[in-house]
Amino acid sequence: AQRVTQPEKLLSVFKGAPVELKCNYSYSGSPELFWYVQYSRQRLQLLLRHISRESIKGFTADLNKGETSFHLKKPFAQEEDSAMYYCALFPAGTGRRALTFGSGTRLQVQP
Amino acid sequence: GAGVSQSPSNKVTEKGKDVELRCDPISGHTALYWYRQSLGQGLEFLIYFQGNSAPDKSGLPSDRFSAERTGGSVSTLTIQRTQQEDSAVYLCASSQMGGKETQYFGPGTRLLVL
Repeated sequence: AQRVTQPEKLLSVFKGAPVELKCNYSYSGSPELFWYVQYSRQRLQLLLRHISRESIKGFTADLNKGETSFHLKKPFAQEEDSAMYYCALFPAGTGRRALTFGSGTRLQVQP
Repeated sequence: GAGVSQSPSNKVTEKGKDVELRCDPISGHTALYWYRQSLGQGLEFLIYFQGNSAPDKSGLPSDRFSAERTGGSVSTLTIQRTQQEDSAVYLCASSQMGGKETQYFGPGTRLLVL
């Protein structure tokens, strides 16, 4: 079975500092990875997916199959980045059609 | 257009009572998901509906939990004989075709079992 691990429950940084939210996964096949974000009093929403190789709001994430990681990075954190971030995995090639989410990391960006 | 809606937004119930939670997905979305968001537990998958296929119920934690989706649209999650450990935020999401497609989440129903 697949599993997604986000080892940090809380990550606190100062504005302008670099940010790295860790995500590790276990899956024997070829996964597709996503980051979802939930800002205060807003709905959970997709931030980015690895297959698009995109940068959204300055965030990027690279899938490292050797280390089975999909860490989310931003070079200079902004206060508006404060939110709950969830890493998620889609197990391509299996019959399962739902995402597996990690337990989430709360990012606090202090002024 | 309107996003995913859920009702009620909050529900307080007594242990042992049954509750029904409702989800209205985005029109035209064939896939619908229910998740449970507990403090410190992340999002726990409960059940997945895709078109007319049999639902994937593999995430339901016990037989007290059930869900149905009528007419390929609205879904109801029912929890029978509620327990205090059922207290959580129940999230519904829909996507156009399911699978790896972007899921659009509702605002959730916050359930408190006293």
